[in-house]
Amino acid sequence: DVKVTQSSRYLVKRTGEKVFLECVQDMDHENMFWYRQDPGLGLRLIYFSYDVKMKEKGDIPEGYSVSREKKERFSLILESASTNQTSMYLCASTPGTGGVYYEQYFGPGTRLTVT
Amino acid sequence: GENVEQHPSTLSVQEGDSAVIKCTYSDSASNYFPWYKQELGKRPQLIIDIRSNVGEKKDQRIAVTLNKTAKHFSLHITETQPEDSAVYFCAASKEDNDMRFGAGTRLTVKP
Repeated sequence: DVKVTQSSRYLVKRTGEKVFLECVQDMDHENMFWYRQDPGLGLRLIYFSYDVKMKEKGDIPEGYSVSREKKERFSLILESASTNQTSMYLCASTPGTGGVYYEQYFGPGTRLTVT
Repeated sequence: GENVEQHPSTLSVQEGDSAVIKCTYSDSASNYFPWYKQELGKRPQLIIDIRSNVGEKKDQRIAVTLNKTAKHFSLHITETQPEDSAVYFCAASKEDNDMRFGAGTRLTVKP
């Protein structure tokens, strides 16, 4: 049974703080993703990674960076948190490499509030 | 890049009625179309998916249809039950790491 975990369910940070959100999967998946979920906007892709140390920008990468030093761990970094980054952040992973389609396994989400 | 539009944003039905959610996509190269269900406070989970070489797929009370020419696909839930109440997301993808989601539909099934 695939398990994707995120470091916090709820997080409150101040404007300008550096914020780290961590995601860990235990099934040796190749691909990992970070989304933010906002009402009426669905799930928007921030960044994804298809291998250790590899990353690709999604649709809304501005204000975020990522790190994947180990296969099981994918971190989302807000360099200087702003109030418009208040959102639910979801991590996901898939086992495959290009050309094959797999279910995305999601973590429980981190609700981040920036004040 | 791919753009997925989903309608309606909210849908309310009486228990036992059918519910239909529709999505359109922009990239004709997309060939994988999953649907995810997210119950309140929980993570999204895959409920059904369809590949572009198939026009329809059914799993008990849930079915998905795909019209590649028109670039739209739909989720059909028959004999709805209160536990079907959730937010449903459609998505489209042409590669495993290139999936884009719709904005979601909040389905409420009234007992």
